[in-house]
Amino acid sequence: EDKVVQSPLSLVVHEGDTVTLNCSYEVTNFRSLLWYKQEKKAPTFLFMLTSSGIEKKSGRLSSILDKKELFSILNITATQTGDSAVYLCAFIVQGAQKLVFGQGTRLTINP
Amino acid sequence: KAGVTQTPRYLIKTRGQQVTLSCSPISGHRSVSWYQQTPGQGLQFLFEYFSETQRNKGNFPGRFSGRQFSNSRSEMNVSTLELGDSALYLCASRSEAANTGELFFGEGSRLTVL
Repeated sequence: EDKVVQSPLSLVVHEGDTVTLNCSYEVTNFRSLLWYKQEKKAPTFLFMLTSSGIEKKSGRLSSILDKKELFSILNITATQTGDSAVYLCAFIVQGAQKLVFGQGTRLTINP
Repeated sequence: KAGVTQTPRYLIKTRGQQVTLSCSPISGHRSVSWYQQTPGQGLQFLFEYFSETQRNKGNFPGRFSGRQFSNSRSEMNVSTLELGDSALYLCASRSEAANTGELFFGEGSRLTVL
């Protein structure tokens, strides 16, 4: 069965710290992996990763995919209180039109 | 450009009742999918519609159904509600033309079953 495992499930750090969120997956027909940020209700898109070893960056956030070891990481540097959210990892199965989500990592940034 | 709109935002029902939730996708998006989010199970795929046809279905019982209209608006229905159906129901739309895989989510409909 296709599945996504995120770790840690919860993380509390101080403002200015750097955090690394992990996402490992088992899927029979991998197409792409996506990261979303969910603050209150609607998850908002961060990155989509399809190729192994190519880092995607957006400001203080970056992500990379390792298709051999079947995992992805999301890094956030110089964290701010506004980064507090649940970060969701999901993959798209080739040929299917659905996302399979992990449980999410709840990140709390304390001032 | 308006985002994905879901109605109602909040609703309370009792066991055995049925509920219909509505979703209006981003203009031009023809793919609409539905997800259930609960604290225990996370986000789980319900179904996906494209051009009024259900293309994919998740592992939910037949009490969960949906449909899509010619204007791409979608509804989902849950019959014979159970306590465990209490959840945030998220709708997402996608542009097939963009082929990015990115889903745009609505704010969700929070259903409480008493």
